[in-house]
Amino acid sequence: GESVGLHLPTLSVQEGDNSIINCAYSNSASDYFIWYKQESGKGPQFIIDIRSNMDKRQGQRVTVLLNKTVKHLSLQIAATQPGDSAVYFCAESTGAQKLVFGQGTRLTINP
Amino acid sequence: GAVVSQHPSWVICKSGTSVKIECRSLDFQATTMFWYRQFPKQSLMLMATSNEGSKATYEQGVEKDKFLINHASLTLSTLTVTSAHPEDSSFYICSARARGGEKLFFGSGTQLSVL
Repeated sequence: GESVGLHLPTLSVQEGDNSIINCAYSNSASDYFIWYKQESGKGPQFIIDIRSNMDKRQGQRVTVLLNKTVKHLSLQIAATQPGDSAVYFCAESTGAQKLVFGQGTRLTINP
Repeated sequence: GAVVSQHPSWVICKSGTSVKIECRSLDFQATTMFWYRQFPKQSLMLMATSNEGSKATYEQGVEKDKFLINHASLTLSTLTVTSAHPEDSSFYICSARARGGEKLFFGSGTQLSVL
């Protein structure tokens, strides 16, 4: 069945360093991928998305990389700040249908 | 950006009572709404998909008679947890998609605690 998972449940980085959060997905038919940030007690916040016809997309301080060959997705956050502390989820969908979420990675920032 | 309003943000109820959660799209017409459930330190699990004017489609293992979903208008969907029990305590999140759109916009979630 469909599943989207993450390699690491927690990630700690020094403030100012770059963060890389990874995600593995299993549905090769997925054509749309999104990264969300979720702070405690709140709903998911959209960060960046990418379609399957692309392998890289950049936003403000964030970059998403998609490797369809190994079904891997990553989120890179440049110059990590304390406000980046949260749980990050990757999610996938097929043909604009339902969204399947990965397990999540908790990112903590060390001062 | 598109705004989805979800109410209440938290609710405490007695076992056996029913609780209704509202999800409204404030500045767009949501032809499709999704309801998710999230237990502590876990991911969001899709419960059901609702399209305006039609019956909701429930995911496997989700009891449709317990989690009643109504999507009567293009701006409002409701989730009613009937005869709630402590095991129903969870964080419930709605999301909405506009007609022809691909992005989902999420509500702020409802923390349900059943005593």
